[in-house]
Amino acid sequence: AQSVTQPDIHITVSEGASLELRCNYSYGATPYLFWYVQSPGQGLQLLLKYFSGDTLVQGIKGFEAEFKRSQSSFNLRKPSVHWSDAAEYFCAVDGSSNTGKLIFGQGTTLQVKP
Amino acid sequence: DTGVSQNPRHKITKRGQNVTFRCDPISEHNRLYWYRQTLGQGPEFLTYFQNEAQLEKSRLLSDRFSAERPKGSFSTLEIQRTEQGDSAMYLCASSFRTAAGYTFGSGTRLTVV
Repeated sequence: AQSVTQPDIHITVSEGASLELRCNYSYGATPYLFWYVQSPGQGLQLLLKYFSGDTLVQGIKGFEAEFKRSQSSFNLRKPSVHWSDAAEYFCAVDGSSNTGKLIFGQGTTLQVKP
Repeated sequence: DTGVSQNPRHKITKRGQNVTFRCDPISEHNRLYWYRQTLGQGPEFLTYFQNEAQLEKSRLLSDRFSAERPKGSFSTLEIQRTEQGDSAMYLCASSFRTAAGYTFGSGTRLTVV
């Protein structure tokens, strides 16, 4: 069965520091991969997505993610974190391209220290 | 494009009552999804519509849950005889095609007391 694992439930970084959020997926082929961000009490906003081609994808708000097939990973990165990046981040996989149904990870809560 | 709209934003109901939520997707999006999110968890898929046809339902969607999208536009999610375990955020999302990713609404937070 498809699954997504986000090993870090909670991460704290200082403002201006770099960030990497980990995501590992389980799927037989190359799935569609997504990162979403959720602010408290809000819906989810799409940060970036990977389907094929260049394994380094750029997203909104200065985020990027790298797909590594050999490691079944799709880690999210940002070179310099801003206080407004504090939120919950979800990695998701779509292994059934016919329906677009997403399987989400448990999420990583990012706290930013001033 | 006014985004995906969900109403109400919050709903408090007594156990055993029926509740109905509404989702208005982005007008040109033919795909509509319902997810449920409990505290500290990622969203879990409930059901999916393409136009007015409900094409997939999760086993999470018990007989007490029903969803409709009568004219391929807005959708409703009804929960009958609510239970405390139904307390969650119910998220609606829409898309035009898989590759585009979803646009999520802000959700309806249900509290069953």
